[in-house]
Amino acid sequence: QLQLQESGPGLVKPSETLSLTCTVSGGSISSSNCYWGWIRQPPGKGLEWIGSIHSSGPTYYNPSLKSRVTIFVDTSKNQFSLRLSSVTAADTTVYYCARHTSYRPFDYWGQGTLVTVSS
Amino acid sequence: ENVLTQSPATLSLSPGERATLSCRASQSVSSYLAWYQQKPGQAPRLLIYDASNRATGIPARFSGSGSGTDFTLTISSLEPEDFAVYYCQQCTNWPITFGQGTRLEIK
Repeated sequence: QLQLQESGPGLVKPSETLSLTCTVSGGSISSSNCYWGWIRQPPGKGLEWIGSIHSSGPTYYNPSLKSRVTIFVDTSKNQFSLRLSSVTAADTTVYYCARHTSYRPFDYWGQGTLVTVSS
Repeated sequence: ENVLTQSPATLSLSPGERATLSCRASQSVSSYLAWYQQKPGQAPRLLIYDASNRATGIPARFSGSGSGTDFTLTISSLEPEDFAVYYCQQCTNWPITFGQGTRLEIK
């Protein structure tokens, strides 16, 4: 059974860079045709896709966040990571990592981690 | 960007009743439409993929239909645990987009 777990600081200062890692267990992050994605959800609001990275390397980002987002994979640790630069209070949300495949929805999710942007 | 519009925003029903939730896409997604259920404090749970296929372990009272731009999630007879927020998501084009959600509440 594939499991995903987010980790990272729960508090980030405005203008700094938010960094989160998703550790994958029960399967290889290098599995063919898999995408590893980040989704976020402000408290009490809807879901927003941040971006995804394919197991072979290509990345896809939400145009609304593209200038501030980087997603990369560390196959040696079976992890993928999110970096979001120049954060503001609007980036205070729950961040989820999840897996999907081509033309398929997110079928495995992490439990989510709340990141608060505040000085 | 393919905008997904869900209706209604809130649906108030009683246990045992039938629930019908709608999702409309601004561009065709063929059948690559998914539905999720989310309860407070939990990650979304995949219910339906490819518009009408139930994910593993999802009860038969959940069904999906539609193609192109108009889709429906039906819960045939509501159980107490079905009261939650439901989201649709298109899997056809980048960027991936979600609907804004329908809150299913107990009447």
